[in-house]
Amino acid sequence: AQTVTQSQPEMSVQEAETVTLSCTYDTSESDYYLFWYKQPPSRQMILVIRQEAYKQQNATENRFSVNFQKAAKSFSLKISDSQLGDAAMYFCAYSNGGATNKLIFGTGTLLAVQP
Amino acid sequence: DTGVSQDPRHKITKRGQNVTFRCDPISEHNRLYWYRQTLGQGPEFLTYFQNEAQLEKSRLLSDRFSAERPKGSFSTLEIQRTEQGDSAMYLCASSPNSPLDYEQYFGPGTRLTVT
Repeated sequence: AQTVTQSQPEMSVQEAETVTLSCTYDTSESDYYLFWYKQPPSRQMILVIRQEAYKQQNATENRFSVNFQKAAKSFSLKISDSQLGDAAMYFCAYSNGGATNKLIFGTGTLLAVQP
Repeated sequence: DTGVSQDPRHKITKRGQNVTFRCDPISEHNRLYWYRQTLGQGPEFLTYFQNEAQLEKSRLLSDRFSAERPKGSFSTLEIQRTEQGDSAMYLCASSPNSPLDYEQYFGPGTRLTVT
């Protein structure tokens, strides 16, 4: 069965600095999708960035980028120029696509941004 | 706002009572998911609908749980004879049926407290 592991329960970063959140996963599939979701306090979960496993190029969305290491099964999220609004729980998620495309989530990393 | 909506946002019930939650997906999305999120954990997949057909159910979904999506529009999740272990956030998500757009859009969730 596929699993997703986030080994950092909490992280803290100074405003305007850069922080990297770690994620590893386990799968025997060769084709799959990886996601980072952000869940602000008392607000709904939103997609931050996604990566298709068949793409070698790391995904980038403005201040957010990933370091996707397929052989190592690692998928880290880098947030540059951190802003107060980045404070949230961040979840790494995996999907093998397939008929349902259901998501398998890690346990999350709570990111605090210090002014 | 045409995002995913869920009702109620909060529900407190006594053990043994039945509860029903509603999810209204984004109107053109024919895929609908239910997840359960307990404190300190990532969301866990419960069930999946494509249009009105329930195509997958997790083993987490005991026989006290039932979900429907009549006419492929809104969905309901019912829990019968609630137990304290059912206390959690129940999240609904929807996505289009396009293989090119597999992002899941989440609702705000229904927080269930069983006393």
